[in-house]
Formats: sequence, structure tokens, C-alpha cells
Amino acid sequence: DVKVTQSSRYLVKRTGEKVFLECVQDMDHENMFWYRQDPGLGLRLIYFSYDVKMKEKGDIPEGYSVSREKKERFSLILESASTNQTSMYLCASSLGWVVGSEQFFGPGTRLTVL
Amino acid sequence: QQQVKQSPQSLIVQKGGISIINCAYENTAFDYFPWYQQFPGKGPALLIAIRPDVSEKKEGRFTISFNKSAKQFSLHIMDSQPGDSATYFCAASSTGFQKLVFGTGTRLLVSP
Repeated sequence: DVKVTQSSRYLVKRTGEKVFLECVQDMDHENMFWYRQDPGLGLRLIYFSYDVKMKEKGDIPEGYSVSREKKERFSLILESASTNQTSMYLCASSLGWVVGSEQFFGPGTRLTVL
Repeated sequence: QQQVKQSPQSLIVQKGGISIINCAYENTAFDYFPWYQQFPGKGPALLIAIRPDVSEKKEGRFTISFNKSAKQFSLHIMDSQPGDSATYFCAASSTGFQKLVFGTGTRLLVSP
């Protein structure tokens, strides 16, 4: 059974803290994605990676960075958390350059920044 | 140009009824249109997808209708069941791009 796991289901952090969200997939997928989900705004792409050490900005990269040192792991970093980064964060992965490749999502991390 | 507009934002349907969710896009390069279903506490999961070479695709009670000239596509859920209560996202992408552009989501509630 394919699986995308995220390190935490719930996280509470303070303003200014550095926050790490971890995502691991066991499907040997080339592509990995980080989204944030907010009511009424849908899923917005923060960053994605199409290979180890490769990354590309999505629609809302400001305030975030990413790291992909191994194929199966993709980390989202909030350099200095702010209250407007309170959200649900979803990680996804998909097979390489297959057209229309299905994205498999993790269960999400609900981050609250106080 | 990259947006996918989805409506309605929320929908209440009686058990056994038909649920209809609509999406519209501008980018004519889009050539893959999936729908994702998300239950509370879970990540979205692919439900059904269509390419623009067909006008309709059916899988069980779920049907995608596609209108290329109008740049619109819709999800129809026949004989809606309480277990279909979830948030539905339409999306689009184009060949050569691995990114999906998602709609804003529709929260469907099927009343018993």
C-alpha cells in the first residue's frame, strides 16, 4: 500500500520559531510537493521537488524553504514562523515525468503559530 | 490564466440525489483534469480524471463531463450517499508540467 507520512498531525509553535515539517514517501517517487490548505482558498502549492536536491517555487513560497537530501524525504522549513502561517500543510508525491501522474497525499499537519 | 474556478463552495444534497460541482479554466494548454476527494482528517485522494479527447468519463456513480469549447468540466455524483460527504477539489495540469492547479474546493454534505 502506497504511503506518504508526515512527521506530526498537530503542531503548536510560537512566533519567530524555526519550524520543520517532515514528509516521507515509500513509493520511490521522483516528485514531491508541499501545499497549504486554507478554507475557501483550496490547495496552494508552496514548493515542489522533481529530484534530489532540486526544488522549484510554487505559488506561495514566501516565508518558506525546503530541503530534499534523499529521494524519499522532503522537508518544509518555516524560517521564522508567523501567525499567518497557521494552516494545514499537506505533502504529496507523484511518479516522475508520467503525464497525469496521480499525486498521493499525506494526512496533513495542522500547524498553529501563537 | 493559471486559475481553476470551482463552484459551489458548499452543497447539501439529499440521499439519492445528484450532486453537481462545476469548474472552469482559462489556460487552453491544460490537458489533464482530475478530481480529488478529501475526507475529514485525511489528505485528498484521486477520485476520477479525464483528458480533453473525451467529453465524458464514468466510474461507478461518479461522472466527469467535459466541455472543451466552454473550458468547463464538472463532477456528477449519482445516487449520492452520506458516505460521499467530503470536500471535492477539481484540478488541472498540462503536459510537461507536474504541478496541479487546484480549485478552491466544494464541501458536500449528503443528508440521510
